[in-house]
Amino acid sequence: DAGITQSPRHKVTETGTPVTLRCHQTENHRYMYWYRQDPGHGLRLIHYSYGVKDTDKGEVSDGYSVSRSKTEDFLLTLESATSSQTSVYFCAISESWGTGNQPQHFGDGTRLSIL
Amino acid sequence: GENVGLHLPTLSVQEGDNSIINCAYSNSASDYFIWYKQESGKGPQFIIDIRSNMDKRQGQRVTVLLNKTVKHLSLQIAATQPGDSAVYFCAGGRDYGQNFVFGPGTRLSVLP
Repeated sequence: DAGITQSPRHKVTETGTPVTLRCHQTENHRYMYWYRQDPGHGLRLIHYSYGVKDTDKGEVSDGYSVSRSKTEDFLLTLESATSSQTSVYFCAISESWGTGNQPQHFGDGTRLSIL
Repeated sequence: GENVGLHLPTLSVQEGDNSIINCAYSNSASDYFIWYKQESGKGPQFIIDIRSNMDKRQGQRVTVLLNKTVKHLSLQIAATQPGDSAVYFCAGGRDYGQNFVFGPGTRLSVLP
């Protein structure tokens, strides 16, 4: 299995508080992604990174920011959490852009509840 | 953009039978597809992929069929086992680019 660790695995917080989720990889892959998974929806891309300090928005980026100061770490921040951001968040990595010949490997997710 | 969806949200099969999970997509320019398996509390796990220059691809106990004419793909699991119980979803889009879309998933239950 690809070495991807997400932390925390579970978090409950209140509306309006800042939240940071961490993704750590040991594969030295260039590309990292944050997705959210909600009932009735497929995984939706929030942000992605194509290198250290290089990030871009995905389909559902409003209300989220990311940072990547090291190859191995990709942080997702909710500056002021809202109840609509209650979801399961997955980090993924890939060696090449999109999938190419390197299908994305996923972490086991962070279940975030915002009350 | 792409729109990917599955035909059935749930599927129950007897252990030992073959399973077929279907998926449809909307963008005829999509040229790469992946099937994932997701077990409870886990992240998606790559099963098999297929490019648009192929109609069929086989893996270990799994086969993916792609029909570009009707924009449909299917995942066939041979001799379904209890360990195959999970949510399966397809994803598709252009091979390179951020517009890789994931379907909502079909929950496969294997009956003893």
